Amino acid sequence: SQTIHQWPATLVQPVGSPLSLECTVEGTSNPNLYWYRQAAGRGLQLLFYSVGIGQISSEVPQNLSASRPQDRQFILSSKKLLLSDSGFYLCAWSVAGITGSEQFFGPGTRLTVL
Amino acid sequence: QKEVEQDPGPLSVPEGAIVSLNCTYSNSAFQYFMWYRQYSRKGPELLMYTYSSGNKEDGRFTAQVDKSSKYISLFIRDSQPSDSATYLCALNRKGYNKLIFGAGTRLAVHP
Repeated sequence: SQTIHQWPATLVQPVGSPLSLECTVEGTSNPNLYWYRQAAGRGLQLLFYSVGIGQISSEVPQNLSASRPQDRQFILSSKKLLLSDSGFYLCAWSVAGITGSEQFFGPGTRLTVL
Repeated sequence: QKEVEQDPGPLSVPEGAIVSLNCTYSNSAFQYFMWYRQYSRKGPELLMYTYSSGNKEDGRFTAQVDKSSKYISLFIRDSQPSDSATYLCALNRKGYNKLIFGAGTRLAVHP
């Protein structure tokens, strides 16, 4: 069966510090991968998605970037965090090549920028 | 106008009640409809997945899609305190990789 991991689970960082969040998927090959942010009491905002190694699509201009160095690894980064980057970050995967496929989410990383 | 509208609640019901959660959407191209359950401080968990119009039942949960009205529903029978969570609807179009999510409805089932 497929499993998705995210780490760290929680993170407290000062403004201006760098960020690296990691997501890995097990049990599937060549998945579509997604990064979302969820602000407190708000819906899911799609940040990035990837259909393959090195292929990243950005949904909204922001202080963040994403990379996919391996098939089942997705990384969310920032060079300098802003207060507004605080939130709950979720990684998700879906089966590639199947139209309308559902997405499966990881446990999330709660980021607090102080 | 948002592509998907969902009442954020909160919705508070007594244990054993039938719960109705709803979303409306504007784009008739949506063909795939999902409901996710999200407990506090956890990732969303897929509950139901339906394609096109009709009903789908899974235990105490029934998903209903009315494409003519652009309206989807999730019914929970015999609600339990463990059903207390935020419920998100999500929609997708043929050939697209990205889901469109509703804002989520917070449900509280009290004993």
